[in-house]
Amino acid sequence: AQSVSQHNHHVILSEAASLELGCNYSYGGTVNLFWYVQYPGQHLQLLLKYFSGDPLVKGIKGFEAEFIKSKFSFNLRKPSVQWSDTAEYFCAVNGDYGQNFVFGPGTRLSVLP
Amino acid sequence: EAQVTQNPRYLITVTGKKLTVTCSQNMNHEYMSWYRQDPGLGLRQIYYSMNVEVTDKGDVPEGYKVSRKEKRNFPLILESPSPNQTSLYFCASSLSWGPIIGDTQYFGPGTRLTVL
Repeated sequence: AQSVSQHNHHVILSEAASLELGCNYSYGGTVNLFWYVQYPGQHLQLLLKYFSGDPLVKGIKGFEAEFIKSKFSFNLRKPSVQWSDTAEYFCAVNGDYGQNFVFGPGTRLSVLP
Repeated sequence: EAQVTQNPRYLITVTGKKLTVTCSQNMNHEYMSWYRQDPGLGLRQIYYSMNVEVTDKGDVPEGYKVSRKEKRNFPLILESPSPNQTSLYFCASSLSWGPIIGDTQYFGPGTRLTVL
């Protein structure tokens, strides 16, 4: 069965700091990888996704993620965070047949002004 | 406006009283899915549907039922709710499914359910 782990439960940063959120998955086959964001009181929105091609994926709002197949990782990065990035971030994966999505437990990001 | 809608948004009920949470999408999506979100556990998939009359279990299907009689609707049914089903529920849909397409899932606003 697929599983997804996220390294940090809660990350606290000051504005303009750089961000890296870790995500590792366990699945031996072909995968699609996603990062979703959930702002307080809102539903999930897609930040970026990887399904083939360039392993460095750029998403909305200045976020990017790098797929490293050998490490089963898909870490999310942003060079300079803003207060408005305060949210919960979820990494997700689905495998060869695409039917079943598995989400990580989430990382709460708090950005201090 | 393209969207996924859920009703009700908030529900408080008692143990054993059957309930249905509706989900509807207006994007002609084939794939629909239900998740529950619990603190520290992230989102866990309950059931999904790849098309009309095609449904399958996700990771936590116990205590839930679904049906997909029409493409746009995917209701979640709790025949006999219990307190451990108190959670935040999200419906999602995507155009299709499969690794080649890598479709984005669009999420509904959520239904906060409390079972006393």
